[in-house]
Amino acid sequence: AQSVTQPDIHITVSEGASLELRCNYSYGATPYLFWYVQSPGQGLQLLLKYFSGDTLVQGIKGFEAEFKRSQSSFNLRKPSVHWSDAAEYFCAVGGTASKLTFGTGTRLQVTL
Amino acid sequence: ETGVTQSPTHLIKTRGQQVTLRCSSQSGHNTVSWYQQALGQGPQFIFQYYREEENGRGNFPPRFSGLQFPNYSSELNVNALELDDSALYLCASSLGRGDQPQHFGDGTRLSIL
Repeated sequence: AQSVTQPDIHITVSEGASLELRCNYSYGATPYLFWYVQSPGQGLQLLLKYFSGDTLVQGIKGFEAEFKRSQSSFNLRKPSVHWSDAAEYFCAVGGTASKLTFGTGTRLQVTL
Repeated sequence: ETGVTQSPTHLIKTRGQQVTLRCSSQSGHNTVSWYQQALGQGPQFIFQYYREEENGRGNFPPRFSGLQFPNYSSELNVNALELDDSALYLCASSLGRGDQPQHFGDGTRLSIL
């Protein structure tokens, strides 16, 4: 069975600081991997995706993620966080792009 | 391009009642997936419809059922509502069943009293 672990429930960073959100997955083959962001009362917005190829993927809003097969990880990074990045972030895995298993999320708080 | 729209935005029901939630897929998308997101949790896959046929189901009981219409819009029906059904229900549409990512609506918040 596929699963996703996001070890950090809540992270606080200062505006302008770098960010790394952790994601570990369990899947039997090469997975489809995603990061989504959710603002309060909203649906999920796709930040970036990995299917194959280059293991470092670029997304919207200056985010990037690196797929590391040996560590079963797909961590999300941003070099300089903006106050508007405060939200809930979800990592997801699937055998296709549309039947996904999500982690429990990491809530990001940004201090000014 | 019109995104995924869901209705209603909020809904309050009592235990034992039935509910229907609606989703209009993004223009050009023929696949709709439904997810349940309980408070403080990540979304959980309920089921998916592709070209009006169910195409996979998560670990949800049969009282959760759905439909997809020829215009690819979709309904989620839940019978015999239980308190634990209180959640945000998210609809996502995509093109095909392969590697095209999903686009999510803003969800329907269902509260069971």
